[in-house]
Amino acid sequence: EAGVAQSPRYKIIEKRQSVAFWCNPISGHATLYWYQQILGQGPKLLIQFQNNGVVDDSQLPKDRFSAERLKGVDSTLKIQPAKLEDSAVYLCASSLMGGAETQYFGPGTRLLVL
Amino acid sequence: GENVEQHPSTLSVQEGDSAVIKCTYSDSASNYFPWYKQELGKRPQLIIDIRSNVGEKKDQRIAVTLNKTAKHFSLHITETQPEDSAVYFCAAPPKGSSNTGKLIFGQGTTLQVKP
Repeated sequence: EAGVAQSPRYKIIEKRQSVAFWCNPISGHATLYWYQQILGQGPKLLIQFQNNGVVDDSQLPKDRFSAERLKGVDSTLKIQPAKLEDSAVYLCASSLMGGAETQYFGPGTRLLVL
Repeated sequence: GENVEQHPSTLSVQEGDSAVIKCTYSDSASNYFPWYKQELGKRPQLIIDIRSNVGEKKDQRIAVTLNKTAKHFSLHITETQPEDSAVYFCAAPPKGSSNTGKLIFGQGTTLQVKP
């Protein structure tokens, strides 16, 4: 079974630029999560999708971050404009149905904002 | 804001010794407590989880215990090996979010197993 795929793996941008990350979850997984992991901290949930609907985006800084999962499969996370404090690893995870079950993480995108 | 407290932040043990990491959560209704292992530069991977209807779960050298009264759960690794060296994260549902999939992660424990 293929795991969660993410691209790009690394990205360096200057502040105020925009950037987009892509995630392809495990086939058949209805729930998709985007996490931000700042160096030395645990993952922090940004947004949770169930199929193509948003379940929770209470931690998403909506003035600069946006995410979509239009067809209920792939998802993109965008930052516009980026700030220095956005430097982090952005992890995508998926689970079969949502709820109290295993979340499978992708390799992450490491973002550096200069 | 609501968080999951994880201790210690770093732990160094000799190969063969045991390691224990403890986490405290705030919502008494929380019902799912996973533990993830993250090696340097790699993705977090689930190593064990426990649900609120049991007090202990074991998988070979790894065990997790849950104390619902005190609202804490612990990861126990016995007969540690150098390949156990990694960062370990606990997680729990935030208040009012049991069965939604939403998790709050602890700050992580860096475990070093010295050969």
